[in-house]
Amino acid sequence: GQNIDQPTEMTATEGAIVQINCTYQTSGFNGLFWYQQHAGEAPTFLSYNVLDGLEEKGRFSSFLSRSKGYSYLLLKELQMKDSASYLCAVRDGLASNTGKLIFGQGTTLQVKP
Amino acid sequence: DTGVSQNPRHKITKRGQNVTFRCDPISEHNRLYWYRQTLGQGPEFLTYFQNEAQLEKSRLLSDRFSAERPKGSFSTLEIQRTEQGDSAMYLCASSHSTSGTFGGEQFFGPGTRLTVL
Repeated sequence: GQNIDQPTEMTATEGAIVQINCTYQTSGFNGLFWYQQHAGEAPTFLSYNVLDGLEEKGRFSSFLSRSKGYSYLLLKELQMKDSASYLCAVRDGLASNTGKLIFGQGTTLQVKP
Repeated sequence: DTGVSQNPRHKITKRGQNVTFRCDPISEHNRLYWYRQTLGQGPEFLTYFQNEAQLEKSRLLSDRFSAERPKGSFSTLEIQRTEQGDSAMYLCASSHSTSGTFGGEQFFGPGTRLTVL
């Protein structure tokens, strides 16, 4: 089966650091993506991991451990505009290679002053 | 703007009516995906095109749903005999082929929000 778990909600303070965890069990794997989605808007790409380790991109970093089926998204120096839903998605790696994404339910992050 | 566009942005219809949505992907992208998203959930995969060929359909997609991409450019998603359970945001995304290397990140359109009364 396909299962991707992430916390439903998180709250953090402006200027702080927050880590959003994601665990997955999927029949195929060809990379893990993080997307940001503001209410009523389209998801926008944040980061991609296909090999184990940390990928850093400005205030955002993402980590992957394939053996543990685990990833996290780290947001530093939080700003009010970071209040959004954060979606963890695994790209299908089966022989069909459609590249379809399997999403978790999303983590709603609220940044408070 | 050369991003993914979708029309209409909002659609309200009565149960039993047919609706059609359009997606215009980024022009050089050969892959096109349709997803459905309900409130508080992540997007769910519906169907996938590579160029004009529809290569995969989700088991979630009933016979009332049909999608086309006639010339390998824009795509349409039609829902026949709509039901209240079809109310959702319908998202379109496009990408390059992954070709076994990094790439192929999906760019999403703004979505069409369907409300079935």
